[in-house]
Amino acid sequence: KAGVTQTPRYLIKTRGQQVTLSCSPISGHRSVSWYQQTPGQGLQFLFEYFSETQRNKGNFPGRFSGRQFSNSRSEMNVSTLELGDSALYLCASSPESLREKLFFGSGTQLSVL
Amino acid sequence: GQNIDQPTEMTATEGAIVQINCTYQTSGFNGLFWYQQHAGEAPTFLSYNVLDGLEEKGRFSSFLSRSKGYSYLLLKELQMKDSASYLCAVRDPGNTPLVFGKGTRLSVIA
Repeated sequence: KAGVTQTPRYLIKTRGQQVTLSCSPISGHRSVSWYQQTPGQGLQFLFEYFSETQRNKGNFPGRFSGRQFSNSRSEMNVSTLELGDSALYLCASSPESLREKLFFGSGTQLSVL
Repeated sequence: GQNIDQPTEMTATEGAIVQINCTYQTSGFNGLFWYQQHAGEAPTFLSYNVLDGLEEKGRFSSFLSRSKGYSYLLLKELQMKDSASYLCAVRDPGNTPLVFGKGTRLSVIA
């Protein structure tokens, strides 16, 4: 079974630009979560989607948005990028039998210059 | 909401036993979860506890005391490859997300 796939792996943007990150979950997983990871703050929860519906949202500004498609693939968008958005963005999928058993992708390393 | 506390760093010797503690404060409780993250890699699921007591899984064991808001991860017969960050996570009951502590960076030395 293929794991969680995130694209792109690395991204360099400048302040004010926008970015879209993509995540393909493990086949059969309908739950997708997004986290931001930085050295100082650790893993911070962004969103959780299930069957195209946002189930939970973390404490991030409205510039951060996401969606999930009917095939469970998910995208995350950040608009008007700021320097502080530089981070590793991790996507994870999980089975409904144990929502907390997250299978993470390798992440997208975003650098904002 | 949750308030999860873990030591930032620990060092232990190859072959030894190490205990990584995690304390949490939450309005409810739906399970305590441990993840391992090697440098430059994504976190991977290790174990979880829903009820009080010890769960053993090979060289790794996890303990939970719900009344004390306390858990620990016990690693036995440490190997160099166990050098990693260990993340404690909790989820409140209901439709809430999994929230992670900042992690404990474990260094195993010869």
